[in-house]
Amino acid sequence: AQSVSQHNHHVILSEAASLELGCNYSYGGTVNLFWYVQYPGQHLQLLLKYFSGDPLVKGIKGFEAEFIKSKFSFNLRKPSVQWSDTAEYFCAVNRDEGGGNKLTFGTGTQLKVEL
Amino acid sequence: GAGVSQSPRYKVAKRGQDVALRCDPISGHVSLFWYQQALGQGPEFLTYFQNEAQLDKSGLPSDRFFAERPEGSVSTLKIQRTQQEDSAVYLCASSPPSRELALPVDEQYFGPGTRLTVT
Repeated sequence: AQSVSQHNHHVILSEAASLELGCNYSYGGTVNLFWYVQYPGQHLQLLLKYFSGDPLVKGIKGFEAEFIKSKFSFNLRKPSVQWSDTAEYFCAVNRDEGGGNKLTFGTGTQLKVEL
Repeated sequence: GAGVSQSPRYKVAKRGQDVALRCDPISGHVSLFWYQQALGQGPEFLTYFQNEAQLDKSGLPSDRFFAERPEGSVSTLKIQRTQQEDSAVYLCASSPPSRELALPVDEQYFGPGTRLTVT
């Protein structure tokens, strides 16, 4: 079965530190990749997505992610985090080869940014 | 514009009771999804509709779970004879038609969820 792994469950950073959150998936076929964010008290929102083309995708709020097919990875990065980035981050995968439109999510990474 | 809305936001049910959770998708979105999010976990797929057709219900955990979308807009997730393990946040998401023929899917827009607690 398709699975998504997020190895960092809790991350604590100081403001201005750089961020990288890991995401690996198990499916070997063509995939669509997403990062969603959930700020405290709010609903899931899309940060960025990769369907095809340039493997380095840029999203909202200065976030970017790089798709490395050979490593089955889609890591999320931000050069300098802010206190307002405190949230839970979810990586998600969708197959486009008969897998329907459903998303398979990782378990999430709770990011806390300290002042 | 209006996003996906869900009601109720919170529901406490005694074990054995039936519950019904409602989702109002974004107008014009043909695809609708239900997910279950247990504490400390990521959302897990339950079922998927395209308009009124339920195309995938492979994630429903038991025959106590039933979803419908009779007119292709509002959807209801019903859980019969609730059990404690049903306690979770139930998320609804909708998705517009793909803007490009080459892209099979578009992003999903999530609602705030219904937190169900079964006592």
